[in-house]
Amino acid sequence: DGGITQSPKYLFRKEGQNVTLSCEQNLNHDAMYWYRQDPGQGLRLIYYSQIVNDFQKGDIAEGYSVSREKKESFPLTVTSAQKNPTAFYLCASRPTGTDTQYFGPGTRLTVL
Amino acid sequence: ELKVEQNPLFLSMQEGKNYTIYCNYSTTSDRLYWYRQDPGKSLESLFVLLSNGAVKQEGRLMASLDTKARLSTLHITAAVHDLSATYFCAVDDQGTDKLIFGTGTRLQVFP
Repeated sequence: DGGITQSPKYLFRKEGQNVTLSCEQNLNHDAMYWYRQDPGQGLRLIYYSQIVNDFQKGDIAEGYSVSREKKESFPLTVTSAQKNPTAFYLCASRPTGTDTQYFGPGTRLTVL
Repeated sequence: ELKVEQNPLFLSMQEGKNYTIYCNYSTTSDRLYWYRQDPGKSLESLFVLLSNGAVKQEGRLMASLDTKARLSTLHITAAVHDLSATYFCAVDDQGTDKLIFGTGTRLQVFP
């Protein structure tokens, strides 16, 4: 069953703790992306990766980190340096040679 | 810096009526995308518009792109309740592999 999976669906953390959000795809897509969505807002790009072992900062990278050790996986770590981490986080991927990004189901992170 | 604006931000319309959502962007781009998001859910791709004058239609939705005016429209014909959702446009930031999203239009269709 192909697609983009994100886990967990809901995540609760205490302030000051780092947390890692999972994003996996078995679509053989080269490019992967992480977005943040706040209530009533559009999506803002955190990090993106076009190939394995390479990634670039998006518009709001501060307080976040990523890795891309495998083509299938692009985990996002929300660090304690992120001032307001409570949000809906969406992962996307895009096949090479096309323009459309396909989105995972999202992870809703709440920091208490 | 590429900026994308949508209007209206909120649209409440009666079933059977027609309406248009507008997406304006600030710098040159010839690739524009429309997505739908249901409450608490992810984004679903609706249309990909890749050239000036492109028009795509699916059911009661029709999207068009005017790259000279830097404007895309999403036209809704004879709205039904199932179309209630938030609609986003996203514009390709040329040369960067990034999409810049509008703030979304929340559409509510009532009987």
